[in-house]
Amino acid sequence: QQQVKQSPQSLIVQKGGISIINCAYENTAFDYFPWYQQFPGKGPALLIAIRPDVSEKKEGRFTISFNKSAKQFSLHIMDSQPGDSATYFCAASIGNFGNEKLTFGTGTRLTIIP
Amino acid sequence: DADVTQTPRNRITKTGKRIMLECSQTKGHDRMYWYRQDPGLGLRLIYYSFDVKDINKGEISDGYSVSRQAQAKFSLSLESAIPNQTALYFCAICGDYSYNEQFFGPGTRLTVL
Repeated sequence: QQQVKQSPQSLIVQKGGISIINCAYENTAFDYFPWYQQFPGKGPALLIAIRPDVSEKKEGRFTISFNKSAKQFSLHIMDSQPGDSATYFCAASIGNFGNEKLTFGTGTRLTIIP
Repeated sequence: DADVTQTPRNRITKTGKRIMLECSQTKGHDRMYWYRQDPGLGLRLIYYSFDVKDINKGEISDGYSVSRQAQAKFSLSLESAIPNQTALYFCAICGDYSYNEQFFGPGTRLTVL
């Protein structure tokens, strides 16, 4: 069973445009929602994360929007740059101590074209 | 030096062979994880360990075993490799407090012929 559904599978965006990747979850006990960024040949690395007590978190050009009632969250990349080309994974976990296991989405391959 | 080291980085083996993938870390974290990554399937948890004496199965543990030799070392074994275990394998570590970042190693690309 896939508890975190991610879309689209791939995305091509013009340089300077907005990239949007969406995720939906099923388990209402999830309370931590990170996004990981992976470049070819590398392991994933944490990009930005949110907890459900806020509806939005922004770090530079990257923003997470969170809709608790719809059980959805999304990553927005403003002014997308070729260096943002990577695979992005959303994830979710239940954060109480001793139970941190991340459930990942299936990934989105983002390509930013000049 | 990298916080999480995985060896080997690439491995080609044959069906039925036993193979071990090794992970070591220098951050002193107790929590260690093994994932496999397949195109279109994302990252799936194989096993995880919250300390040396604590080993837990993840989502897809069948066909795999692990050993936590020390706080810093966590090995993944395929007792009898099969072609559908061809994948990219990642080790990750995590600190001992809530909502903490997982740090991933560089991965091992395993091909089973």
